[in-house]
Amino acid sequence: EAAVTQSPRSKVAVTGGKVTLSCHQTNNHDYMYWYRQDTGHGLRLIHYSYVADSTEKGDIPDGYKASRPSQENFSLILELASLSQTAVYFCASSRDWGDSQNTLYFGAGTRLSVL
Amino acid sequence: AQSVTQPDARVTVSEGASLQLRCKYSYFGTPYLFWYVQYPRQGLQLLLKYYPGDPVVQGVNGFEAEFSKSNSSFHLRKASVHWSDWAVYFCAVRIGFASALTFGSGTKVIPCLP
Repeated sequence: EAAVTQSPRSKVAVTGGKVTLSCHQTNNHDYMYWYRQDTGHGLRLIHYSYVADSTEKGDIPDGYKASRPSQENFSLILELASLSQTAVYFCASSRDWGDSQNTLYFGAGTRLSVL
Repeated sequence: AQSVTQPDARVTVSEGASLQLRCKYSYFGTPYLFWYVQYPRQGLQLLLKYYPGDPVVQGVNGFEAEFSKSNSSFHLRKASVHWSDWAVYFCAVRIGFASALTFGSGTKVIPCLP
C-alpha cells in the first residue's frame, strides 16, 4: 500500500485559474515536502513543513502556497496558475530533518499542464 | 550553497553490460550523499546513501557507489545491467543537519538495442 499518495495524478488547468494539489502520507512522518520536476532539471524544493499548521519556504516558493492542516496532509496551492508552472510535482515525507539519513519517501507525482 | 551536477543526461547501455553514472557535488561541509531512482510513472525511491565512513556503499539490486573527497564525486555503478534498470537516476546531496536535499538533473538509462 502506497505510503505517500498524491491527487490528482494529472491535471490540466487554465492560465489564471486556481489549482490545488493534495498529498496524504501514512508514514507517521513529521516532515513533508513539495518538489517540482522540469525536464533537464533536478527536483527543486518549493515548500516544506515539519509540523501541522506550519509551512516553510523552500528554494522556489514564488507563485505557490502550501497548507498543512494535519500531520498526514499537505497541499500545494497555485492561486493564479501560469504557463511556467507546467511541470511534474512530487510530494515526499521524511521522519526527521535532523536525522542524517533523511530518507525521503515520494509519491508518484502529479503532472500539471497549464494552458 | 551546495550543488550537484550529473553531466550525462542520457546513458545508453546493453543488458548485461556494466554501468557507471557520474555525480559531482560542491559543498563546504560534511556531505551526506544519496542516489535515488525513478521508474516510469513512479515517484523516486532511495537506492543507496553515504555518510562519512567507508567510501564504498552498497545499495539495492546490485548497485554501489563510491565517494571521493578529492574528486568531489559520488559515482554510481553496477556490474551487470538488467532490463529492470531502465530508469532515471538522481544524485542528491545534503550538507549537515540544516538543509534539505539538493538534487541533480538526473541521468536517464536507456537500452542499447542491437
